[in-house]
Amino acid sequence: DQQVKQNSPSLSVQEGRISILNCDYTNSMFDYFLWYKKYPAEGPTFLISISSIKDKNEDGRFTVFLNKSAKHLSLHIVPSQPGDSAVYFCAASAVPESGNTGKLIFGQGTTLQVKP
Amino acid sequence: DAEITQSPRHKITETGRQVTLACHQTWNHNNMFWYRQDLGHGLRLIHYSYGVQDTNKGEVSDGYSVSRSNTEDLPLTLESAASSQTSVYFCASSEGAFDEQYFGPGTRLTVT
Repeated sequence: DQQVKQNSPSLSVQEGRISILNCDYTNSMFDYFLWYKKYPAEGPTFLISISSIKDKNEDGRFTVFLNKSAKHLSLHIVPSQPGDSAVYFCAASAVPESGNTGKLIFGQGTTLQVKP
Repeated sequence: DAEITQSPRHKITETGRQVTLACHQTWNHNNMFWYRQDLGHGLRLIHYSYGVQDTNKGEVSDGYSVSRSNTEDLPLTLESAASSQTSVYFCASSEGAFDEQYFGPGTRLTVT
């Protein structure tokens, strides 16, 4: 049962254009969402996050949008650069009534290729 | 600078052998996690720990164990390696529930 889904295994865009990576989730208890970027032979690195009390969070070229009613989030990269070519994972977390978990549920990942 | 390291980076072992993968972090984080990455599955949680002497099972814990005797280390043990455990393993740590997780560089394990 995949609670976090990234239905597009790969995406190819031209340098300078917008990259849009999508992520869907099924668990309505998720209230914190993150995006990680992963280069080959390296560990994932944190990119950007968003709390469920917001619908948008921006950090430089990266913006994450959250649509709670649709259980959907997306990562926009504008403008895309060749160095953005990597695997992008979305992840979700839920805080139970008892408090801290820190557990993340990851999607399958989307491989982004930005062509020069 | 604080960091998180994993060793070995690559390991080939035979079916049935016991294998231990090391994870060491100098962030002084309470939370530590082990994931495996497989094509089509993303990152799946194996075990996690919220502090010394605390360990918990993740979604794919069968065949794996961890121990937490100090803040810095969370070794992952495969009691009897199976070919299905061929994967890339990542260790991560975080300060708190809503803090980002810092990942190690990964260990590529092949079970023949």
